[in-house]
Amino acid sequence: GENVEQHPSTLSVQEGDSAVIKCTYSDSASNYFPWYKQELGKRPQLIIDIRSNVGEKKDQRIAVTLNKTAKHFSLHITETQPEDSAVYFCAALLSGNTPLVFGKGTRLSVIA
Amino acid sequence: DTAVSQTPKYLVTQMGNDKSIKCEQNLGHDTMYWYKQDSKKFLKIMFSYNNKELIINETVPNRFSPKSPDKAHLNLHINSLELGDSAVYFCASSQVKGEQFFGPGTRLTVL
Repeated sequence: GENVEQHPSTLSVQEGDSAVIKCTYSDSASNYFPWYKQELGKRPQLIIDIRSNVGEKKDQRIAVTLNKTAKHFSLHITETQPEDSAVYFCAALLSGNTPLVFGKGTRLSVIA
Repeated sequence: DTAVSQTPKYLVTQMGNDKSIKCEQNLGHDTMYWYKQDSKKFLKIMFSYNNKELIINETVPNRFSPKSPDKAHLNLHINSLELGDSAVYFCASSQVKGEQFFGPGTRLTVL
């Protein structure tokens, strides 16, 4: 089955700096890669996703890149703000009705 | 207009008891899921279910069982609760290959 590794497990950045979180997946047949943000005490919410036919996608301060050959994808947050502090999860979807496989999460702290 | 709802939000119970958590989605999605999030924040899939197929994570004890009275509901029944079952349980739903929406979570504490 699919396996997703996520690094780092914790990340602290100064407000205004950029943050990068990286994930690798094992099954080359995976074709959908979402990123979820979970604030303290709340549910995970989708912030951006990318499909295997695209190499990069951007939404304001957030971008995701995908390297299918290397089987890794990354989340980039620019101009970080204190409200970006949360746990971020990457995930990969193999196919059909199989469930998402999540990475173990990255706790991002943005220091004002 | 809540997309995915769960009840109860908090559940405190004694070891050995049997409890249920309810989940409903009004998005018309075909597939629903249950996840367990432990104290380290790992999101672990427990079950996924659509009209035709139940996929069970083989590491889930058989004390846990999903029950779906209809397409919009997937309830989680837990028998003989143990201390290690304490966690936050999230229900979610999606269309095939689509965005997965999570419910607000149920914090289960077993004493």
